[in-house]
Amino acid sequence: NAGVTQTPKFRILKIGQSMTLQCTQDMNHNYMYWYRQDPGMGLKLIYYSVGAGITDKGEVPNGYNVSRSTTEDFPLRLELAAPSQTSVYFCASSQGADSGANVLTFGAGSRLTVL
Amino acid sequence: GQNIDQPTEMTATEGAIVQINCTYQTSGFNGLFWYQQHAGEAPTFLSYNVLDGLEEKGRFSSFLSRSKGYSYLLLKELQMKDSASYLCAVMDSNYQLIWGAGTKLIIKP
Repeated sequence: NAGVTQTPKFRILKIGQSMTLQCTQDMNHNYMYWYRQDPGMGLKLIYYSVGAGITDKGEVPNGYNVSRSTTEDFPLRLELAAPSQTSVYFCASSQGADSGANVLTFGAGSRLTVL
Repeated sequence: GQNIDQPTEMTATEGAIVQINCTYQTSGFNGLFWYQQHAGEAPTFLSYNVLDGLEEKGRFSSFLSRSKGYSYLLLKELQMKDSASYLCAVMDSNYQLIWGAGTKLIIKP
């Protein structure tokens, strides 16, 4: 049982480049999330999905896109990378949104640097 | 606005007890979570409180007072491996998680 797997672990991008962070989970969770974590700040929600075919914006969606074609996969696309997108990105999943069912399982994280 | 406050950093001695506080102001309340995050790793779930009172889980306990907008995480018999950041998160009325910036706990021998 791998849990949540995200790739790559590290990536350096040049300004204006695009890339996709991959995320897959094998726990049959309906809910999936993308967060970014910056030093001294709380986790910020970028996008989330409540099931295949359904996605919604979080607190900081600008500059990102997502898709959810299957229950397992939730890739995050960065278009036209900017230095402000330098961060550590975490994918997470949960059984549901209701209180106690919302225990998040996180992937190992992807450290992205935009130069 | 919504806000979660926790101390930035704390230091404690191996074998001792430490209490990490979290105060919150959110639009509604549907539960409070504590996560542990070792440096360079992902957060992992520690505890969940939705009713007032103390939840004990081995060396770790978490307390909640909804009327005061206050929680604490109590770690007993500290071990070097407890050196990590501890994240407090509150689920608001829309079932969205609001995260604190985390408390970095340093354990000294």
